[in-house]
Amino acid sequence: GENVEQHPSTLSVQEGDSAVIKCTYSDSASNYFPWYKQELGKRPQLIIDIRSNVGEKKDQRIAVTLNKTAKHFSLHITETQPEDSAVYFCAASIGTGNTGKLIFGQGTTLQVKP
Amino acid sequence: NAGVTQTPKFRVLKTGQSMTLLCAQDMNHEYMYWYRQDPGMGLRLIHYSVGEGTTAKGEVPDGYNVSRLKKQNFLLGLESAAPSQTSVYFCASSYSTLAGRGETQYFGPGTRLLVL
Repeated sequence: GENVEQHPSTLSVQEGDSAVIKCTYSDSASNYFPWYKQELGKRPQLIIDIRSNVGEKKDQRIAVTLNKTAKHFSLHITETQPEDSAVYFCAASIGTGNTGKLIFGQGTTLQVKP
Repeated sequence: NAGVTQTPKFRVLKTGQSMTLLCAQDMNHEYMYWYRQDPGMGLRLIHYSVGEGTTAKGEVPDGYNVSRLKKQNFLLGLESAAPSQTSVYFCASSYSTLAGRGETQYFGPGTRLLVL
């Protein structure tokens, strides 16, 4: 079946450093790739997304890149701040049918040390 | 707009008891989803609905049933709770992909369920 692999499972950086989280997906029909941030005890919230017709998208300190050939996409956070500490999930749309279904990666716990 | 809401926030059940989790959205979304979240396993889809009166199985449907009698509500039922169903349950909703608005899913605050 379809799956999304996410690495690393934990990531610790110093404030001001960059953080990169990587995901690979298996469904070649996937065309939508969102990233969610989940703070402790809270709901997942969308922080950025990218579609298959775009290779890169940036929103202030956050960027996402997509390599459809390699079935690989990544989240880049620059100038990290303590409030970036959270669990981050990547996801990929399941390609067949109009269901809007997403399959999620296992999550990355990011810790930003002041 | 309240967005996506869930009730209850927390519940403790004994093995074999039943309960229903309620999800409500006021964004006129066509699609609704139920996920469970367990440590180290991300979000796994239990059941979903692409419109009022329709439901379908997701990745981990066993032990759960759902109903979507009204467009704004999506109910998740546990007929006979088991300890393996201890988890955090999230509901989400989105616009139809046919509407060209994309597949962004908006999540509710979650229900924490403990089955003893």
